Amino acid sequence: EVQLVQSGAEVKKPGESLKISCKASGYTFTNYWIGWVRQMPGKGLEWMGIIFPRDTDTRYSPSFQGQVTISADKSTSTAYLQWSSLKASDTAMYFCARFGENAGTFEYWGQGIPVTVSS
Amino acid sequence: EIVMTQSPATLSVSPGERATLSCRASQSVGPNLAWYQQKPGQAPRLLIYGASTRATGIPARFSGSGSGTEFTLTISSLQSEDFAIYYCQQYNMWPPLTFGGGTKVEIK
Repeated sequence: EVQLVQSGAEVKKPGESLKISCKASGYTFTNYWIGWVRQMPGKGLEWMGIIFPRDTDTRYSPSFQGQVTISADKSTSTAYLQWSSLKASDTAMYFCARFGENAGTFEYWGQGIPVTVSS
Repeated sequence: EIVMTQSPATLSVSPGERATLSCRASQSVGPNLAWYQQKPGQAPRLLIYGASTRATGIPARFSGSGSGTEFTLTISSLQSEDFAIYYCQQYNMWPPLTFGGGTKVEIK
């Protein structure tokens, strides 16, 4: 069974750094793109970026390029999303999600990580 | 960037009735369109890909149609568990993958 298990809720201050994780199991981690989707409070879904763990090919949405870094650790089958300096506007729910056999669509999703950035 | 526009923003439907949701792309995406359902406090769930193919385990009351720039998601007979927010997403040209703003299906 494919599972994506995300790390727990985070509360941070503006300017702090953060790295959240998404641990995959039930499939060969290196064979599928895995991405991140933001959902701000009461708002819709925004695609942030995606990584192909086999060769670490990473693509970003222009809206998030330079704002976040996506990485993956093949040894632990874990994808990461990190910020070097958080802003209050980063407050949101963050989902990881994996492409299905039909590349381009997110067939499997993590449970989401709520991130709150407040002074 | 391909912009996805969904209408209406909110759809009020009685249980057992049909719901028709629309999604428009700013340029052709061919058949490369997916639909997702999201319930409060949950992650989205893939319903439809390739504009009209139901994902694994999705009931037959959900159907998708369209190609190019105009797409429709139809729920033939709304069940209580279908009241949720629905998003379309194009994957014809990326990055970026882009989602529509969503349609909330609420109980009339």
